[in-house]
Amino acid sequence: DQQVKQNSPSLSVQEGRISILNCDYTNSMFDYFLWYKKYPAEGPTFLISISSIKDKNEDGRFTVFLNKSAKHLSLHIVPSQPGDSAVYFCAASANTGTASKLTFGTGTRLQVTL
Amino acid sequence: GAGVSQTPSNKVTEKGKYVELRCDPISGHTALYWYRQSLGQGPEFLIYFQGTGAADDSGLPNDRFFAVRPEGSVSTLKIQRTERGDSAVYLCASSPSAGGRGEQYFGPGTRLTVT
Repeated sequence: DQQVKQNSPSLSVQEGRISILNCDYTNSMFDYFLWYKKYPAEGPTFLISISSIKDKNEDGRFTVFLNKSAKHLSLHIVPSQPGDSAVYFCAASANTGTASKLTFGTGTRLQVTL
Repeated sequence: GAGVSQTPSNKVTEKGKYVELRCDPISGHTALYWYRQSLGQGPEFLIYFQGTGAADDSGLPNDRFFAVRPEGSVSTLKIQRTERGDSAVYLCASSPSAGGRGEQYFGPGTRLTVT
């Protein structure tokens, strides 16, 4: 049962344009969401996060939007740069008091072309 | 500063053998996590330590998998009687505390191949 879903395995965007990566979740207990970026042969690197009490969080070129009623979040990258080419993972956690294990989606490979 | 390190970076073993994978978390981080990433999938949670104790081992697939963190720093993931299905990248992550909702810092992973 995939609780976090990234339905687009890949995305190609031209340099300078906006990249939009989408993520859906099914578990209503999730209340904290994160985006990670992964280059080949490296571990995932944290990008940006959002708590369920917010609907938007912005950090430089990266903005995450959360639509709780639709159980959907998206990551916007503006403007896209060639160095953004990587696999992006959406992750979620539930507030269980002590544990904050992450549940990941299957990832979206972003390619930013010149 | 030093990030999370994992050794070895690659491990090839024969089916049925025993393997140990090591993780050195960021100094001072009390929470340590193990994940497994199979080809084409996202990382999948295995076990989480708060200090020396395993606070949540619900992700361990079966009793062939075991992990320890005896001094609250370095952790070892142990796999007995390896099977070809255990082939994956094993990722370790640490965070300053488990109660916080901040990000987890990942190591580069150990790629395990069982032949």
